[in-house]
Amino acid sequence: NAGVTQTPKFRVLKTGQSMTLLCAQDMNHEYMYWYRQDPGMGLRLIHYSVGEGTTAKGEVPDGYNVSRLKKQNFLLGLESAAPSQTSVYFCASSNSSPFGQFFGPGTRLTVL
Amino acid sequence: DQQVKQNSPSLSVQEGRISILNCDYTNSMFDYFLWYKKYPAEGPTFLISISSIKDKNEDGRFTVFLNKSAKHLSLHIVPSQPGDSAVYFCAASLYGGATNKLIFGTGTLLAVQP
Repeated sequence: NAGVTQTPKFRVLKTGQSMTLLCAQDMNHEYMYWYRQDPGMGLRLIHYSVGEGTTAKGEVPDGYNVSRLKKQNFLLGLESAAPSQTSVYFCASSNSSPFGQFFGPGTRLTVL
Repeated sequence: DQQVKQNSPSLSVQEGRISILNCDYTNSMFDYFLWYKKYPAEGPTFLISISSIKDKNEDGRFTVFLNKSAKHLSLHIVPSQPGDSAVYFCAASLYGGATNKLIFGTGTLLAVQP
């Protein structure tokens, strides 16, 4: 099992450009999440999904959109990138259990 | 308002000694607490958890203590090893909810000196 994978690993964008980050999981998990990690801020939830075809806003959703067309994939889109979106983005997945979430390796995004 | 707080950004410990990482929370409705470990350029990995109905959970060198009256939990690592050097995140969950969402603290960087 690959677990949770993220594509790409690194990306540099110019202000105003758009891009999509792809998250895939092979554990048949119902729930998927997108976080961003910034220095001194911990992990903050951007959007999440509780099942195929569903999405919901997290703590910091502005400037991002998501889609969950297939159970195993969760896409994070930036329509018009801003320097404030420079961050490391983590995807995670889980089932309804107290044993936490499984994280991908992260995508380091720089917006110039 | 930060519901989960880790007030120590960093901690340095000698190899073989005990490492104690602390976490405070404000929401008494949290029913599970988790610790994650994160190495540079990797995603966080689950380390240990504790239910709010327990006050201690142990797994090998790692023990988590929960003090509900003080809304405080701590992670003890004994003995500390250089490979334990990483960022440790405390997280809280409302497991009884339908989303399994976690709220994370800001992390503590642990450095174990050989």
